[in-house]
Amino acid sequence: ETGVTQTPRHLVMGMTNKKSLKCEQHLGHNAMYWYKQSAKKPLELMFVYSLEERVENNSVPSRFSPECPNSSHLFLHLHTLQPEDSALYLCASSQEGTSRTQYFGPGTRLLVL
Amino acid sequence: TQLLEQSPQFLSIQEGENLTVYCNSSSVFSSLQWYRQEPGEGPVLLVTVVTGGEVKKLKRLTFQFGDARKDSSLHITAAQPGDTGLYLCAGARGAQKLVFGQGTRLTINP
Repeated sequence: ETGVTQTPRHLVMGMTNKKSLKCEQHLGHNAMYWYKQSAKKPLELMFVYSLEERVENNSVPSRFSPECPNSSHLFLHLHTLQPEDSALYLCASSQEGTSRTQYFGPGTRLLVL
Repeated sequence: TQLLEQSPQFLSIQEGENLTVYCNSSSVFSSLQWYRQEPGEGPVLLVTVVTGGEVKKLKRLTFQFGDARKDSSLHITAAQPGDTGLYLCAGARGAQKLVFGQGTRLTINP
């Protein structure tokens, strides 16, 4: 148990569906992240929120839309995804100003049909 | 271009053997983390090293940060099946940002 939870753990969706991934951290951190992990590729940073403001968006397609309502919660809204978006989506949190060690959730395994 | 290169990418050895995994870069990092990830789970932090030349031990795992803070190694002594997993190194650059290597997939056979 790392103190970062993600729901759902598994998700299957069609290309026309709209769904949301949820992440919650119980560590008192002030920065949260979304990563994409595909087979045979390094972890890809998608979004960074620091103090609830988005500070980084790594050229992610607009069909992925993040939301950070407070420092403990992070969402990733999904719509009109493509099959190549199938991957493990990982949320992480860290405390700004430290060694930037990130603590990961268990991930959501997404399959787009 | 991969900023952090891990080698080997795959390693399969017998229980009881020793092994070393490497994480190399031409860039300097302010700190470096090692994670282990098991199938269907997120990466779990093993250690953070911040000082050039630093050595940290975690039971049978020994982590070293290079003097120039550009590389790191993970050595496992007397590997056990429970050590099986994907080992990831990640270097900190700039605010909030970690750069990950592609990982070393380690299999320890009983």
